[in-house]
Amino acid sequence: AQSVTQLDSQVPVFEEAPVELRCNYSSSVSVYLFWYVQYPNQGLQLLLKYLSGSTLVKGINGFEAEFNKSQTSFHLRKPSVHISDTAEYFCAFSGGYNKLIFGAGTRLAVHP
Amino acid sequence: EAQVTQNPRYLITVTGKKLTVTCSQNMNHEYMSWYRQDPGLGLRQIYYSMNVEVTDKGDVPEGYKVSRKEKRNFPLILESPSPNQTSLYFCASGQGVRGYTFGSGTRLTVV
Repeated sequence: AQSVTQLDSQVPVFEEAPVELRCNYSSSVSVYLFWYVQYPNQGLQLLLKYLSGSTLVKGINGFEAEFNKSQTSFHLRKPSVHISDTAEYFCAFSGGYNKLIFGAGTRLAVHP
Repeated sequence: EAQVTQNPRYLITVTGKKLTVTCSQNMNHEYMSWYRQDPGLGLRQIYYSMNVEVTDKGDVPEGYKVSRKEKRNFPLILESPSPNQTSLYFCASGQGVRGYTFGSGTRLTVV
């Protein structure tokens, strides 16, 4: 079965520290991978996506993610976080046109 | 501005009283979808539509209906809401597998 696992439900971190949010997927077909961010009381905004090509993908707000096919992972990283990065982050993949399959989400809390 | 518009943003209703949540997009996307978001479960797909008059069930369709009479609109209908449908709902539209644009969400409470 196709699924997405976000390994941490909550990640607390201090401002200006680096952060990694982990995501693993399970699929027997080629996938397209996405990270979305949800700020409080808002909808989901696309951070970055991997469709093909370079396995290191850069997104908005200084985030990047690396696709690792052998480990079926797509971890999200930022070298220095800000208070404004406090939000919930969702990893998702699509094995076809019809749906995005989402992970349960990781709540990132950035503390001063 | 390209956007997906959902209404209402907040809704409190009573068990069994039919309601409709509207969704409209201005990007001429063929594909639209409804999701519900629950704590610890992420987003789960309710229904999707590949084009006008073409709809299909997602992972959690029970208790919901949809229609797609026009390309821009994709309303979600709860004929007889129950408390277990209390959730945060998102409409999305997209183009291929390149990602979706999401609405701002509708927080529904059924008492």
